[in-house]
Amino acid sequence: GQNIDQPTEMTATEGAIVQINCTYQTSGFNGLFWYQQHAGEAPTFLSYNVLDGLEEKGRFSSFLSRSKGYSYLLLKELQMKDSASYLCAVGASGNTPLVFGKGTRLSVIA
Amino acid sequence: DGGITQSPKYLFRKEGQNVTLSCEQNLNHDAMYWYRQDPGQGLRLIYYSQIVNDFQKGDIAEGYSVSREKKESFPLTVTSAQKNPTAFYLCASSINSQETQYFGPGTRLLVL
Repeated sequence: GQNIDQPTEMTATEGAIVQINCTYQTSGFNGLFWYQQHAGEAPTFLSYNVLDGLEEKGRFSSFLSRSKGYSYLLLKELQMKDSASYLCAVGASGNTPLVFGKGTRLSVIA
Repeated sequence: DGGITQSPKYLFRKEGQNVTLSCEQNLNHDAMYWYRQDPGQGLRLIYYSQIVNDFQKGDIAEGYSVSREKKESFPLTVTSAQKNPTAFYLCASSINSQETQYFGPGTRLLVL
């Protein structure tokens, strides 16, 4: 079966760094995606990892270890607008849609 | 502008009534998807289509129907058989099933 695990909720302070973890167990692997979803809005694409290592994009970075079935999203210099849900999704095999985790709700406090 | 659109933004349904949610994309994507999201919950896949004139059931297809007569369009009908339809419905598209999905703005369906 396909399984993706993320923490349900996290809280962090404005200006700080937060790491949101994602572990996955899927029948195959074609890549891992991170999305951001603000309350009441649609998810927007943040990052994609298919090879091991760190991908940096401004204040956001995403890391992948395929051997461990593990990824994290790192948010630096947190801002209040970063309060949102962060969804991890995995491309598992050739003809099936991405498998989404249930998301991690991040609250940024002053 | 290329993108994916959904209409209406809000939709009200009476008991026993079928309603159809629109989803259109001009990104030339082959694959399209419908998800349901309940408050505070994750995305649940209703139906998906990888090519015109073909579609497959997702995890929660009961009470829903779709069609894919054109590449650009993937309408979702919520039938009266869906007993708890109140939710946020999201449409998405991608080049193929393993590529990045791009989401429309969503339709919020409320039962009167």
